[in-house]
Amino acid sequence: KNQVEQSPQSLIILEGKNCTLQCNYTVSPFSNLRWYKQDTGRGPVSLTIMTFSENTKSNGRYTATLDADTKQSSLHITASQLSDSASYICVVLNQAGTALIFGKGTTLSVSS
Amino acid sequence: NAGVTQTPKFQVLKTGQSMTLQCAQDMNHEYMSWYRQDPGMGLRLIHYSVGAGITDQGEVPNGYNVSRSTTEDFPLRLLSAAPSQTSVYFCASSPSSGTGSNEQFFGPGTRLTVL
Repeated sequence: KNQVEQSPQSLIILEGKNCTLQCNYTVSPFSNLRWYKQDTGRGPVSLTIMTFSENTKSNGRYTATLDADTKQSSLHITASQLSDSASYICVVLNQAGTALIFGKGTTLSVSS
Repeated sequence: NAGVTQTPKFQVLKTGQSMTLQCAQDMNHEYMSWYRQDPGMGLRLIHYSVGAGITDQGEVPNGYNVSRSTTEDFPLRLLSAAPSQTSVYFCASSPSSGTGSNEQFFGPGTRLTVL
């Protein structure tokens, strides 16, 4: 069964610190892998989209990496801010483009 | 552009009642979809549409109907609400459903409680 597993489930860090969120998937082959940010009470917003041939993609302080061989992705957040407090969701699109498989998300809390 | 809009933001229903969740987008996107988000679970696809007049079932379609008479609108109908349908519902749109790097744009969500 195609699955997307994220870790940790939740994370608390101090403002200004860096952190890395993990995503392991079993969807194979796949078309692309996406990271979304979901603020409390809002809809998910796209951060990055990577195809299977891309290793890294950045969006400001957010950098996503992808290792298609080990089926792992990570999202690195640099110099965290209070506004980074949110749920971060890893999503994989299957190769046919017919199904997005969503992870359960990692809840990040940034405290001052 | 307003993007993807959803109404209402909150709704409380009694078991057996019916209602329609509204979704509209002003980006001329062909692909629209409905998801539900439950605690401890990833978003799950309810129904989707690849264009006006075309709809199909997703992973959890039971108890829901959809129609797509225009490119802009994609309403979700609950036929006879059940407590198991208590959830947050998100509508999303994208230029196409193909294998390209098409970004999905999500609406703000509708929080539905069925008593």
